[in-house]
This record gives sequence, C-alpha cells and structure tokens, in this order.
Amino acid sequence: GQNIDQPTEMTATEGAIVQINCTYQTSGFNGLFWYQQHAGEAPTFLSYNVLDGLEEKGRFSSFLSRSKGYSYLLLKELQMKDSASYLCAALAGGATNKLIFGTGTLLAVQP
Amino acid sequence: KAGVTQTPRYLIKTRGQQVTLSCSPISGHRSVSWYQQTPGQGLQFLFEYFSETQRNKGNFPGRFSGRQFSNSRSEMNVSTLELGDSALYLCASSWAPLGQGLDEQFFGPGTRLTVL
Repeated sequence: GQNIDQPTEMTATEGAIVQINCTYQTSGFNGLFWYQQHAGEAPTFLSYNVLDGLEEKGRFSSFLSRSKGYSYLLLKELQMKDSASYLCAALAGGATNKLIFGTGTLLAVQP
Repeated sequence: KAGVTQTPRYLIKTRGQQVTLSCSPISGHRSVSWYQQTPGQGLQFLFEYFSETQRNKGNFPGRFSGRQFSNSRSEMNVSTLELGDSALYLCASSWAPLGQGLDEQFFGPGTRLTVL
C-alpha cells in the first residue's frame, strides 16, 4: 500500500529548532514535497527533494533518505508566525505519478 | 506578477448537479495541479495537467475530470455532485511538471464548494 506518516502535533519554543519527521511507503518514488499551511489559508510550497541529502533554504531545511523512506523538515530560529500545519507529500511513481499527502503536523510555537 | 487565481471563490450546489471550477496559473507556468481538501481526509491530489495533457491522476472517481487550454488555464468538472464532495478545491501552478525539475509550486486561494 501507499502510506505517509508524520506526527499529528508538535510544540516548540520561539527561537528554538524543531524537526518534523515524515516516513513514506510508496510503490515507486519520484520525490518528496513539504508544504506549510496556516489556518484558513492555501498551502505554501516549501521544498521538493528528489535526491538524498539536505537542502537548505534560509531558516528551513529539508532532508531526504530514499533508502530509508524518510524525510524531515528542519525549522531554525522559530518565530511565532511559523505556527502552522506542515504537510509532507510523496510523489509515487507508476503508470502515472500520484502525489500522496500525509495528514499534516500542526506546529505550535510558544513564546 | 499576478498570482494563481481561482473562480469562483465560493459555490453552493445541490446533490446531483454538476460544477465547473476554473484556475488561471501564473503567467508562463504550464503545469496546473488540482487538490481537494476536507477536514476528514486532509489534502488529496486530484490530477495534474501540463501542456494540455493530463500527466498525473489521483484516486478519484470518474465524476471528477479536468482539462487544460492552450493558454494553460485549467478547469475542473465534477458531475453528479454528492454531499461528500463539499470541500476546498485548490489548484497550484508551476513552470515544470511534478517530478521533473520542479522548482516551486504556487497555490491559488481555492474554491469553497458546498453541496446541499
């Protein structure tokens, strides 16, 4: 089957670092996406990893290990505005690609 | 540069009717993806169009269909509406198709569909 797992909720402190993990099982794999979604708003694309390793974009970094079916999103120097839901999605391969989403991790940043 | 626009923003329909939603991508973007978001199921992928061709498709029944025009604008159609189709329908555009050198993907504000 195809499955994406990520924690439902996380809490962190302003200024700290938080890591949101995502594990996936898909038939075929063509990349891993991370999105941020604030309540009542549309998602915002954060990153797309297709090769193993870490990709850094400012305060946000995303890591992928294809052999382990594992990814994480790392948020540094947390700010209150980072309180949002973070969605992990795997692009599963096959005759056609399918983008399969996790249920999202609701991150609460506290002062 | 104008963002992704979706029309209408809100729509109320009754069971059995059909609906067409529209998405205009960012100028120059040729990939348009459609998503359904509900509180119970979360965000789910419907399909992706690139250069007027459907490239990728999620696990939705044939009542859900789409198309893309030569100017990259895309429409999504849902026929024989069911109560469970009530959701936020989002589209996103990008320069490259999903899985091929994707750099960034931009979402529109969504169309809130309510089926009574």
